[in-house]
Amino acid sequence: DTGVSQDPRHKITKRGQNVTFRCDPISEHNRLYWYRQTLGQGPEFLTYFQNEAQLEKSRLLSDRFSAERPKGSFSTLEIQRTEQGDSAMYLCASSLGTPGFSTDTQYFGPGTRLTVL
Amino acid sequence: AQKITQTQPGMFVQEKEAVTLDCTYDTSDPSYGLFWYKQPSSGEMIFLIYQGSYDQQNATEGRYSLNFQKARKSANLVISASQLGDSAMYFCAMREGAGTASKLTFGTGTRLQVTL
Repeated sequence: DTGVSQDPRHKITKRGQNVTFRCDPISEHNRLYWYRQTLGQGPEFLTYFQNEAQLEKSRLLSDRFSAERPKGSFSTLEIQRTEQGDSAMYLCASSLGTPGFSTDTQYFGPGTRLTVL
Repeated sequence: AQKITQTQPGMFVQEKEAVTLDCTYDTSDPSYGLFWYKQPSSGEMIFLIYQGSYDQQNATEGRYSLNFQKARKSANLVISASQLGDSAMYFCAMREGAGTASKLTFGTGTRLQVTL
């Protein structure tokens, strides 16, 4: 399977705990994106990486959230001191990122569903 | 103002019939891309079709076609010959700008149910 993979698929945690999610993009893709999707809504952009550089962060990404892509391959998204409002599906996507090519389709992983009790 | 508007929360279609899912968008950027994704109950977002703002012809991919009306700022998805497996949430999304542009902005989605 050469698609985007995410781990874990499901995470249940207690309020106040820290959680970390992992995303492995399609191997030749140099752009990686994180989105959050709550029930009944479309995905909302959180942040994106071009190789290892984090180029854009949404205002949704509070100080409790941090994302890394240390070697330009896999990425991690950490949420510290989780709150019940963090309960959502966290989606990762990747794209080729070919300069000047406007299509640059994003391909999504299966998501990590977080439940904060 | 909403950048992507999907006014149909739910749609029903009979198997083998065609269905149109509506999407309107709002942008002042002359360069943008419009995408449709399918999200089955498993949760994964599946890319269906893309339309660029400068594309002269409507995009088609198999049973999917995009009815792009630039002046009206609409990008409706047409699914022909519906199948039971088409039952899912469908999201319209837009990326503004070209080249290094990044994020997608999604609508709230339309739940399509295909019936026998």
